[in-house]
Parts: sequence; structure tokens; C-alpha cells
Amino acid sequence: GAGVSQTPSNKVTEKGKYVELRCDPISGHTALYWYRQSLGQGPEFLIYFQGTGAADDSGLPNDRFFAVRPEGSVSTLKIQRTERGDSAVYLCASSLMGTGQETQYFGPGTRLLVL
Amino acid sequence: AQSVTQPDIHITVSEGASLELRCNYSYGATPYLFWYVQSPGQGLQLLLKYFSGDTLVQGIKGFEAEFKRSQSSFNLRKPSVHWSDAAEYFCAVGAEAGGTSYGKLTFGQGTILTVHP
Repeated sequence: GAGVSQTPSNKVTEKGKYVELRCDPISGHTALYWYRQSLGQGPEFLIYFQGTGAADDSGLPNDRFFAVRPEGSVSTLKIQRTERGDSAVYLCASSLMGTGQETQYFGPGTRLLVL
Repeated sequence: AQSVTQPDIHITVSEGASLELRCNYSYGATPYLFWYVQSPGQGLQLLLKYFSGDTLVQGIKGFEAEFKRSQSSFNLRKPSVHWSDAAEYFCAVGAEAGGTSYGKLTFGQGTILTVHP
């Protein structure tokens, strides 16, 4: 079956621009996670959705970052006024119900480069 | 707050040799522990996980890991490494039920494995 997909795979933008990153989770998965992976680091948690609502957004670095999941399926991570420090790979994952024991299935990521 | 430490940034082994990747965690209760592998251009793939029961867990691709509460460790092992195992390996700890962070993973910084023929 189809896994988690993310688009675009690569995004190059200029400092100050607005970007949107899309995540299509596995069908039927109610939990969706966004992580950010900087070069040489492990993924860092950004936000977790349970259905349509953000259950935990404690990892969002500042108010330039925002994410939505309006119908409980596809999610969009939005970054306003991008900065060079936002350059990273943004990973999306989904799991069936969001319990701590479940496997999170990761997408291939979107590589964001802010010039 | 929970944290994960992978002391080895880069490990090199010969094909056919045994492998052990170290992982230490900090967590207040019984942790949920995971090992993921990331190959270039690929997404993170789960190798194995532990949340209760037998402290020695078996995973895919011939990997196993042992949970040692007294040492706060969850080291990954493989008896004989194949060239295709070259990748980056991440240990992660998950949050327990009851809080808003249920399901959130905290990752270590990763260990890059190089396999020599």
C-alpha cells in the first residue's frame, strides 16, 4: 500500500518568503507528526495532530511556523518570513492512533533550502 | 524531559563483523524505545521497538536490541554486518500515555555506519 508522501521533495526559497510543505499520511492513520532534521542531527519534534486538532505544538520554534490538518488527513506545514536557519529536512510521519507504542511511518522528507 | 544519547557519531566495521551501536536514554518512567534506520534518499524505517516484556527484542534485517534499565541503555546489535547495512541509525524514546505528548518521539543524533568490504 501507499506510504507517507511529502511534496515537494526539494524546495529552494529566498529569505523572507513564505513556504508550504505538504504531507499525505497513510490512509486511515489518525495521528500525524512533523519533525525537522538539521544536518548531522536527529529529527526534532515540531507538532503532533490527533485527527484535525493539534494535540501538541510544543516543538514549533516560533510563531512563523504553523501547521494545519483541516480534514484529518493531509497536513500542511507553513513557514512565514523564512530565515536561513530554517534550512533543514522536514519529515512527516503518521501512525494509526497515536499511542506511544505504535510504529510511526515516515515520509521521505522535504529538503528546504533558504538562500 | 526525556533525552537520548548516541555516543558514537561514526562507526566503521568490516563486512561479516559483529556490530553494536550504543544508545542511552533519560526518562522518568518505563520508556518506549525504538531504533530507526535512514538510508540516503530514504525515509526513516523502523528496525525494532521495545515497550514491555522480554528485554531482548528482535527486529528486521537480523537486528536485535537489549533493554537494560539499570544502565538506561538500549543498544542495537547484529552478529554479522552486510554491506547493505551501511546507513545512519537513530535511537528514539517515545512518551507514555496520559500526557499531551503521547506518541512524540525524541531522537538521538544518530550513528553513521560505514561497512568495509
